[in-house]
Amino acid sequence: TQLLEQSPQFLSIQEGENLTVYCNSSSVFSSLQWYRQEPGEGPVLLVTVVTGGEVKKLKRLTFQFGDARKDSSLHITAAQPGDTGLYLCAGAGQSNFNKFYFGSGTKLNVKP
Amino acid sequence: DTGVSQDPRHKITKRGQNVTFRCDPISEHNRLYWYRQTLGQGPEFLTYFQNEAQLEKSRLLSDRFSAERPKGSFSTLEIQRTEQGDSAMYLCASSWGTGSFDTQYFGPGTRLTVL
Repeated sequence: TQLLEQSPQFLSIQEGENLTVYCNSSSVFSSLQWYRQEPGEGPVLLVTVVTGGEVKKLKRLTFQFGDARKDSSLHITAAQPGDTGLYLCAGAGQSNFNKFYFGSGTKLNVKP
Repeated sequence: DTGVSQDPRHKITKRGQNVTFRCDPISEHNRLYWYRQTLGQGPEFLTYFQNEAQLEKSRLLSDRFSAERPKGSFSTLEIQRTEQGDSAMYLCASSWGTGSFDTQYFGPGTRLTVL
C-alpha cells in the first residue's frame, strides 16, 4: 500500500505544453520532497517543501505544499524534452522525520 | 566531494549466492539510508543509520539482509542466499540530519539481477 498516491501515472505531452502532477495522502508530513529520476539512475532532488501552503519556484517548475501538509503538486510550464523522466514525491513522517515514504511516481514524456 | 557513490553499479548473480553492495555517502553527512526500487514503483525504505547506529529497519528487510556502517562513514548491504524476488535497484541516500526535517541525496544505485 502506497502512503502517497501520485497522479497521473503516465503523461505524454508535446513540447511547450503545461502540466501538473499531483501527490496526495491522508497522512500529514513534516516535509515533502520532489525528485526526478532517469532510467538506471538514482533520484535527483528538485525541492523540499516544509511549511503548509508553501510555494517554491525553480525556473519553469512550481511546487506547492498543501495547507494541511497532506498533499503537493508540481506544475511545469512550457515543458521541454529535457523534462522527460520519472517524477517522485516523498513525504517525511510527522513523528519520525527520518523515515520517507515515496509515491510510485509519474512518468513524463515530452515529445519534441 | 561529488556526491553519494555506490559500487557496483550492476550485479548479476545466481540464485542462492551472497552479494554485498557498498555505499559511500557525502562526507559530512551523518545519516545514511538504504532503499529498494522495483520496476514501476517508487523507492521503498529498507533501513537507516545515524552515524554508526542502525536506528530503524523495515519489515521488508528479511533475515537474509544485513546492513552495516561500522565507522559511521561508508555502509554495506549484504543479501544472503539471493532469490529471484531480490532483483531490484538498491539505492543509498545520505543526509545531514538536523532540526525537524531532513533532505536526502541519492546515489546512482546498484542494479541487482538474480538469475
